[in-house]
Amino acid sequence: DIQMTQSPSSLSASVGDRVTITCQASQDISNYLNWYQQKPGKAPKLLIYDASNLETGVPSRFSGSGSGTDFTFTISSLQPEDIATYYCQQYDNLPSVAFGQGTKVEIK
Amino acid sequence: QVQLQESGPGLVKPSQTLSLTCTVSGGSISSGGYYWSWIRQHPGKGLEWIGYIYYSGSTYYNPSLKSRVTISVDTSKNQFSLKLSSVTAADTAVYYCARGRGNCFDYWGQGTLVTVSS
Repeated sequence: DIQMTQSPSSLSASVGDRVTITCQASQDISNYLNWYQQKPGKAPKLLIYDASNLETGVPSRFSGSGSGTDFTFTISSLQPEDIATYYCQQYDNLPSVAFGQGTKVEIK
Repeated sequence: QVQLQESGPGLVKPSQTLSLTCTVSGGSISSGGYYWSWIRQHPGKGLEWIGYIYYSGSTYYNPSLKSRVTISVDTSKNQFSLKLSSVTAADTAVYYCARGRGNCFDYWGQGTLVTVSS
C-alpha cells in the first residue's frame, strides 16, 4: 500500500501569512493527489484536484503543486475563514484510496 | 446542484450490522463518469476510505474492511447503501457518503455519527 506522510500536523500563522503544507507519497503517484479543507463539524470540501487544479468556486489564494512523490499545498495569504484542517488524498493505487493525517491550521 | 444525505440509526449494538443509506438529489446516480463512496472519520481523527460502487454495481473496498463491508446501489431510488457487519466500538465514527469524480471526491453528505454501544 502507498503511504502518505503529511506535515506539519498543525501550524499557527498570522492573517496574511503564506502557509505551506506538504504531502509525501511512499512511491510515485504521478499527479494523482487532491487537497481538501474540513471545518469543524462539517464535511470535507475539495479544493485542489490532480495536484494543481483549482476546483470551481475555490478562491485563488489556494494552490497546489508537485508530482511523483512530493506535493505542496499553499495558502498565499491566510484569511480568518481558512481556519480548518487540511487533508491530502491519493488514488494512484486504485482501486484503493488513502488520506493524509491532516494539518490543523490556526490563527496566531 | 448535487446533494447527498446520509440516513440510518445513530446507535448500533456491538456485533450487529451497521446500515446506512445515502440519498442523492440534483443528479442521477446512473449517470456515467461518477462513483459513489463511503468514507468515515473516527472522533477527532482523520479520514478513512471505506469503499465505493459504480452505478453498474461494481464495488471496491478498503482491504482492511473488506471482509465486513457491503456497498449496494438502488438506481430506482437514487440511493446507495453501506452495510458493515460485526461492529465494535472501533467502528464508532462519523460516516460520510460522497460522489467520486475522476479520482477525487467532489460532493459530500453532511455526515452522520454512528455510535457502537450496548
